[in-house]
Amino acid sequence: NAGVTQTPKFQVLKTGQSMTLQCAQDMNHNSMYWYRQDPGMGLRLIYYSASEGTTDKGEVPNGYNVSRLNKREFSLRLESAAPSQTSVYFCASRISGSYEQYFGPGTRLTVT
Amino acid sequence: DQQVKQNSPSLSVQEGRISILNCDYTNSMFDYFLWYKKYPAEGPTFLISISSIKDKNEDGRFTVFLNKSAKHLSLHIVPSQPGDSAVYFCAAQSQGGSEKLVFGKGTKLTVNP
Repeated sequence: NAGVTQTPKFQVLKTGQSMTLQCAQDMNHNSMYWYRQDPGMGLRLIYYSASEGTTDKGEVPNGYNVSRLNKREFSLRLESAAPSQTSVYFCASRISGSYEQYFGPGTRLTVT
Repeated sequence: DQQVKQNSPSLSVQEGRISILNCDYTNSMFDYFLWYKKYPAEGPTFLISISSIKDKNEDGRFTVFLNKSAKHLSLHIVPSQPGDSAVYFCAAQSQGGSEKLVFGKGTKLTVNP
């Protein structure tokens, strides 16, 4: 049982490049989330998916798109990366009826 | 507008003493509160939680206290151990089926041997 996995662990992009961050969970959780963590800013919600086939914006969605591919997988796409998107990105999941979210190990993204 | 506030960016305590981490919130609709612990280069891990119908929840060395009238909660760690050194995030969720947790900015705890 791997929990929440994220790929890649590290990535460096040039401004304007695109990439997709992958997230998968094997806990049969319904809800999945993408956060970014910046120094002194805590965790801020980018997008979430309450169930397969649904996605909703969080606090900081601009510049990102998401896809809930199936119940297990939730990807985050940067279409045209900007230096302001340099951050650590965390994926999380949650089972219905519980408040606890389980986090992946994170992806450290640098945009130059 | 910051709905969950952790006003102390850092806290340093001696091993064996009590660590008290504080969290304030502004949204009276919040009805469930969680504390997460985060080590460097790892994802946050759930530590302890409390429902708004309680004022205290205990799990081993960790106790969370909730004061609804003051919109304040605190995490007590007794006794503190060097392995407790981490960043602690307070989070809250509102009633009504909202899917979203709102996180504070975190407090970095350092426990000195």
